[in-house]
Amino acid sequence: DQQVKQNSPSLSVQEGRISILNCDYTNSMFDYFLWYKKYPAEGPTFLISISSIKDKNEDGRFTVFLNKSAKHLSLHIVPSQPGDSAVYFCAAGAGSYQLTFGKGTKLSVIP
Amino acid sequence: EAGVAQSPRYKIIEKRQSVAFWCNPISGHATLYWYQQILGQGPKLLIQFQNNGVVDDSQLPKDRFSAERLKGVDSTLKIQPAKLEDSAVYLCASSVGMGETQYFGPGTRLLVL
Repeated sequence: DQQVKQNSPSLSVQEGRISILNCDYTNSMFDYFLWYKKYPAEGPTFLISISSIKDKNEDGRFTVFLNKSAKHLSLHIVPSQPGDSAVYFCAAGAGSYQLTFGKGTKLSVIP
Repeated sequence: EAGVAQSPRYKIIEKRQSVAFWCNPISGHATLYWYQQILGQGPKLLIQFQNNGVVDDSQLPKDRFSAERLKGVDSTLKIQPAKLEDSAVYLCASSVGMGETQYFGPGTRLLVL
């Protein structure tokens, strides 16, 4: 039973355009959400997070949107750069309990 | 600030052999996690420590996997004996406390032949 789903295994975007990565979850107990970026042969790097009391959080080119009623969150990258090419993992947590990760979406930004 | 350190970075062993991985978390981080990431999947938590105590090891295959964090700082994860399906990347992460943002090390890539 996958509690965190990233239904798009891969995504290709032109440099300068917007990248939108999606994530759905099933457990209504999740109260905070994170996005991690992973380059090959490296560990995941924390990118941005959002608490369930918010519906939007911005950090530079990265914005995460949370729609609690739909149990859906998305990561927007604007503008996309070739260095953003990586695998992006969505993760969700409830209180101090363990994080549950999605399977990841591979983003390719084409110059 | 130094990040999470892990060693070795790569390991190749034959099935039924044993192997150990080491992790040194970010200084001052009380919570340490070991994850298993199989190719094409997201990281799956194996065990979580708060200081030197185990908080959650519900997904650790205890018949073959063991982990310790004796002094509440660095940690060792052991597999004995290894199976083919243990081939994966083993990630260590740490956080200031439970429920805080986790920071990952580079991982150890294990191949069991």
